[in-house]
Amino acid sequence: ETGVTQTPRHLVMGMTNKKSLKCEQHLGHNAMYWYKQSAKKPLELMFVYNFKEQTENNSVPSRFSPECPNSSHLFLHLHTLQPEDSALYLCASSQGPARGNQPQHFGDGTRLSIL
Amino acid sequence: DQQVKQNSPSLSVQEGRISILNCDYTNSMFDYFLWYKKYPAEGPTFLISISSIKDKNEDGRFTVFLNKSAKHLSLHIVPSQPGDSAVYFCAASGNQFYFGTGTSLTVIP
Repeated sequence: ETGVTQTPRHLVMGMTNKKSLKCEQHLGHNAMYWYKQSAKKPLELMFVYNFKEQTENNSVPSRFSPECPNSSHLFLHLHTLQPEDSALYLCASSQGPARGNQPQHFGDGTRLSIL
Repeated sequence: DQQVKQNSPSLSVQEGRISILNCDYTNSMFDYFLWYKKYPAEGPTFLISISSIKDKNEDGRFTVFLNKSAKHLSLHIVPSQPGDSAVYFCAASGNQFYFGTGTSLTVIP
């Protein structure tokens, strides 16, 4: 496999459930990102990891918990989500430390629906 | 407050003509600007970028123009092809990445 792979592609969960989103990149990149895309809103950066270390947390509620066990894998653990958390969650990676001149490669996203 | 804005949610162009997608930003400290293209049910893919020290970057049919004084950039696609139909996102980089809301381009055969 090549590129950035996200699983599952679709997820429906209740507000009391716990689930995890998975992202894997096969590009040898060292930076990984989680974004949220809500309808008619710009992509919102949630978390950034450089060399497995979290370097950005954009005031994301604690019901979202990221985990980066190595440079190739990134998880987003979800618990006690709210209906407004329904969105497309995109994972991305880039070659070096997260900088503007490092284009990001995106996965196809997980469409999350909260009942 | 949005730091990157794409004020046109959609654009339709005839095949073979020029497509011009626009983007405005508010922060003069942004140092790189990027364009991404997104097909339905797929993630965004990087298209072209420009450094703030340049005013033009060209890659085949795609050219990005940067006007720093106006805090405006544009993506020109010429000639436009039906396969270019997609959503185009503008992004800017400062201490983090900021994206616009996207412009949906339809190229009519």
